[in-house]
Amino acid sequence: QSALTQPASVSGSPGQSITISCTGTSSDVGGYNYVSWYQQHPGKAPKLIIYDVSNRPSGVSNRFSGSKSANTASLTISGLQAEDEADYYCNSYASSSTVVFGGGTKLTVL
Amino acid sequence: EVQLLESGGDWVQPGGSLRLSCVVSGYTFSSYGMNWVRQTPGKGLEWVSGISGGGRTTYYADSVKGRFTISRDNSKSTLFLQMNSLRAEDTAIYYCAKAVEAILRGWDYWGQGTLVTVSS
Repeated sequence: QSALTQPASVSGSPGQSITISCTGTSSDVGGYNYVSWYQQHPGKAPKLIIYDVSNRPSGVSNRFSGSKSANTASLTISGLQAEDEADYYCNSYASSSTVVFGGGTKLTVL
Repeated sequence: EVQLLESGGDWVQPGGSLRLSCVVSGYTFSSYGMNWVRQTPGKGLEWVSGISGGGRTTYYADSVKGRFTISRDNSKSTLFLQMNSLRAEDTAIYYCAKAVEAILRGWDYWGQGTLVTVSS
């Protein structure tokens, strides 16, 4: 169960858009449309912002969107706001009925 | 309001055992799968185990298979994680999380976490 690959950090200015990638294999990201994204602020529990690649739970801002191409999933945050500064994690359903996480990406709003 | 409250975290020596609990309120507990996810302080998230709403189907990460057992008591809206043969690398904050739909596809509510420390 190898971890998915995410950039360690990304940054952007308020109002800009940023994209975080999440790269796996055909046994996880590429094989299923079951990628989720979580936002985690320091000292808090993770919060689901995207599931099944591109679905937003109720209450999550439409500034957050997800997509997938082959073995790479992406999270895009548009209209960046200061409150978006957090750690972001992707995960994916994987073969043999397991779940694998990415290593996390720290988003800095400049 | 949906609430998940974990308990049972403690300090334990290597080789020891602990039982974590997660009491849930605010929705029909038996209708949704549940999971345990852990996070080493200052590091990333790791999925540990999942269980179906009825409790008949369970899933485990390779790192805990054979040592941890997930279960649930739907009459008490409580999720459990029995952890045996604990190792230093099991030290982490353990979160319980509710599935949106299928057990392993998206978790929309999380507890605040309970800290497990394995050390001699």
